[in-house]
Amino acid sequence: DSGVTQTPKHLITATGQRVTLRCSPRSGDLSVYWYQQSLDQGLQFLIHYYNGEERAKGNILERFSAQQFPDLHSELNLSSLELGDSALYFCASSPTGPVTGELFFGEGSRLTVL
Amino acid sequence: AQSVTQLGSHVSVSEGALVLLRCNYSSSVPPYLFWYVQYPNQGLQLLLKYTTGATLVKGINGFEAEFKKSETSFHLTKPSAHMSDAAEYFCAVSDRAGGTSYGKLTFGQGTILTVHP
Repeated sequence: DSGVTQTPKHLITATGQRVTLRCSPRSGDLSVYWYQQSLDQGLQFLIHYYNGEERAKGNILERFSAQQFPDLHSELNLSSLELGDSALYFCASSPTGPVTGELFFGEGSRLTVL
Repeated sequence: AQSVTQLGSHVSVSEGALVLLRCNYSSSVPPYLFWYVQYPNQGLQLLLKYTTGATLVKGINGFEAEFKKSETSFHLTKPSAHMSDAAEYFCAVSDRAGGTSYGKLTFGQGTILTVHP
């Protein structure tokens, strides 16, 4: 158990819909990262938040947005869903302190768009 | 920008045989390098990491990796494969941006390890 909690574990929805994925980082971790894993793209970095502020953006579509709340949990919002958005979405958190880059991953939220 | 190339999307070994998973990286700055393992229906778990110091790093479950700057490689090895090692393995490089923007990992495409009895 990594200590990172993601909900829901599975989600099935239709094209055009909007969903919200939730992540609770490990206790004390200020950084939250979102990754998308798909068969064709592999693991793609989406976005990084540190203590409520956006720090880095990766290959995140404009239809996607995220935020980190004062209690440090994070949400990834996916809207106008397309078939190609079907993927496993991971949240990861990292310890504060010296730069190491080690991430602790949740078990992921599997999104299926029909 | 950093990038990672894992040679071989699938590797198959017999139980007890040597495991060798290959990873080459590209980085404009001295890299931090990682190997993660993903078991079916689970998240990624850190196997080992190289930051600074000794170039041969040991991780969990008997795995180790050697950082070779001249070859820009960070290959993962295990002397004797076990059935429980069957999983997907990811090599990753960190951007080491410094300050609070550290830690963004760029992953390779992954290598699926199959272990035969």
